[in-house]
Amino acid sequence: SQTIHQWPATLVQPVGSPLSLECTVEGTSNPNLYWYRQAAGRGLQLLFYSVGIGQISSEVPQNLSASRPQDRQFILSSKKLLLSDSGFYLCAWTVTGQVSYGYTFGSGTRLTVV
Amino acid sequence: GNSVTQMEGPVTLSEEAFLTINCTYTATGYPSLFWYVQYPGEGLQLLLKATKADDKGSNKGFEATYRKETTSFHLEKGSVQVSDSAVYFCALSASGGSYIPTFGRGTSLIVHP
Repeated sequence: SQTIHQWPATLVQPVGSPLSLECTVEGTSNPNLYWYRQAAGRGLQLLFYSVGIGQISSEVPQNLSASRPQDRQFILSSKKLLLSDSGFYLCAWTVTGQVSYGYTFGSGTRLTVV
Repeated sequence: GNSVTQMEGPVTLSEEAFLTINCTYTATGYPSLFWYVQYPGEGLQLLLKATKADDKGSNKGFEATYRKETTSFHLEKGSVQVSDSAVYFCALSASGGSYIPTFGRGTSLIVHP
């Protein structure tokens, strides 16, 4: 069966420090991968999506970047965190080309920038 | 473009009350429709889905019917429990655009004993 792993679960980082969040998917190949951010009490904001290795599309210009070094690995990074980067970060995947499949989310990373 | 509109919350109910959370959408083509649930501090979980007009998705006592004529996918449950307290997201997925899902803003449900 397919599973998605996201870590760490919680992170407290000082302003100006780097960031690396990792997401991996098991049990499938060539998934579409997504990074979302959710501010407290708010909806979902799509940050990046990827349809294949090395293929990254950015939805919102910001202080963050994403990479997909392997088929089932999706990494969210920042060189210097801002206070406004605080939030709940969610990784998700779906089957490429399957509109009806739905999206499977990781358990999320709570990032607090202090 | 595609869009999803769902009722603003919070929705506050007593245990065993009837629940309706409204969701309407705009989309080109024939989207699939979904309801997701998010419990505090967790990621989103797929609650139910419907992939074509007049389909009814159901799970854990929740139901929603894909109404193409009214472009709606309202979530209902006959008798809510305290454990149903969560945020509910309506979403759609359509072909093209790298299958980026469109989510509503979420509706918070609070169920009191």
